[in-house]
Amino acid sequence: QKEVEQNSGPLSVPEGAIASLNCTYSDRGSQSFFWYRQYSGKSPELIMFIYSNGDKEDGRFTAQLNKASQYVSLLIRDSQPSDSATYLCAVKKDSGYALNFGKGTSLLVTP
Amino acid sequence: DAGVIQSPRHEVTEMGQEVTLRCKPISGHDYLFWYRQTMMRGLELLIYFNNNVPIDDSGMPEDRFSAKMPNASFSTLKIQPSEPRDSAVYFCASSALLSADTQYFGPGTRLTVL
Repeated sequence: QKEVEQNSGPLSVPEGAIASLNCTYSDRGSQSFFWYRQYSGKSPELIMFIYSNGDKEDGRFTAQLNKASQYVSLLIRDSQPSDSATYLCAVKKDSGYALNFGKGTSLLVTP
Repeated sequence: DAGVIQSPRHEVTEMGQEVTLRCKPISGHDYLFWYRQTMMRGLELLIYFNNNVPIDDSGMPEDRFSAKMPNASFSTLKIQPSEPRDSAVYFCASSALLSADTQYFGPGTRLTVL
């Protein structure tokens, strides 16, 4: 069982809608959580990180963390076609800087 | 300011050949990471360095893989001998000490082993 799980999608949402991307992780001791965006044929790019339970907002993006449920999500408000990409959830393995990545969720925002 | 630089961008080789991938991290960054991405396994960390010293190599698949960082501005990932199952995109990333959680990825090297 992979340590970080994501639905592969594709998740299709209309332009202007809220896209909700979900991720679960198996290591209850995990402390740091990350969302990366990867356009087709490009390298991953960090969007947000979250360390504490609750919500963290940055522009149109909101990361939500629930450590009790071992669940982290990313909400994208007012989705745009340019948001169409694969979104990777990553969890820091321990006190170092090694990351475990999920396989990603493909998001398609239709005009 | 230049980002992470990787070379070559594409590599096609035959099974059994030695392959060397190169990475130049962002100047001043203290951490360097090597990742491999495939459709089957997703993005996996192979090894990372702090100040040129390997910290965690638990992701290196087997002895055919080796990584070095002889100085702060250069790292190599070597596969010898290469096998078709090594075909993947290999990414290098770097981060700074005071913001080590923010990793900047290079453009990747697409490796095809025939």
